[in-house]
Amino acid sequence: AQKVTQAQTEISVVEKEDVTLDCVYETRDTTYYLFWYKQPPSGELVFLIRRNSFDEQNEISGRYSWNFQKSTSSFNFTITASQVVDSAVYFCALSEGSWGKLQFGAGTQVVVTP
Amino acid sequence: DTGVSQNPRHKITKRGQNVTFRCDPISEHNRLYWYRQTLGQGPEFLTYFQNEAQLEKSRLLSDRFSAERPKGSFSTLEIQRTEQGDSAMYLCASSGQEASNQPQHFGDGTRLSIL
Repeated sequence: AQKVTQAQTEISVVEKEDVTLDCVYETRDTTYYLFWYKQPPSGELVFLIRRNSFDEQNEISGRYSWNFQKSTSSFNFTITASQVVDSAVYFCALSEGSWGKLQFGAGTQVVVTP
Repeated sequence: DTGVSQNPRHKITKRGQNVTFRCDPISEHNRLYWYRQTLGQGPEFLTYFQNEAQLEKSRLLSDRFSAERPKGSFSTLEIQRTEQGDSAMYLCASSGQEASNQPQHFGDGTRLSIL
């Protein structure tokens, strides 16, 4: 069963618009970690953020912000004032247990046009 | 920090041939992971090493696949008798040992194409 669901396959925006990427996860563990990775057209996966299940504080890093809500099992990601360089596939991932194995969603393709 | 290095970047081979990929993790990282990514999908976990010990293998890793990490440094992933369905990007990642679930740093991957 898919443990991480990214329902949006592709989102297209015009530069400077905000874009929010949805991520819903499923786990029975009380301790788990959530991640977001960016995969630009060049292909390498770039780590963006890690969140543990006990820390529901929202986080902002520059134009990026994350909203973690355990009540709805969601870990959404917002890019504010998008730029063309934000065009990439964004993956949400879940890690259960202590070994760090990542379970990825199918990804959301973000296309930012000038 | 030289990052995670994978070789080769691309591999094209005929069905039935054996292939081997190499991953050099970040030097101080003791955890090493292999994932496979097909077009339009997220990476799927294949196997995990802590130092030289292979601690977990996915059901995706058929008996044609074998991975090693001698001496806990670089790792190799071998696929024997390749099949069309093996065509994918093979990604290696490593992470540090300070605490569990540290962010994994990924290499650029090896793209395998089976003719």
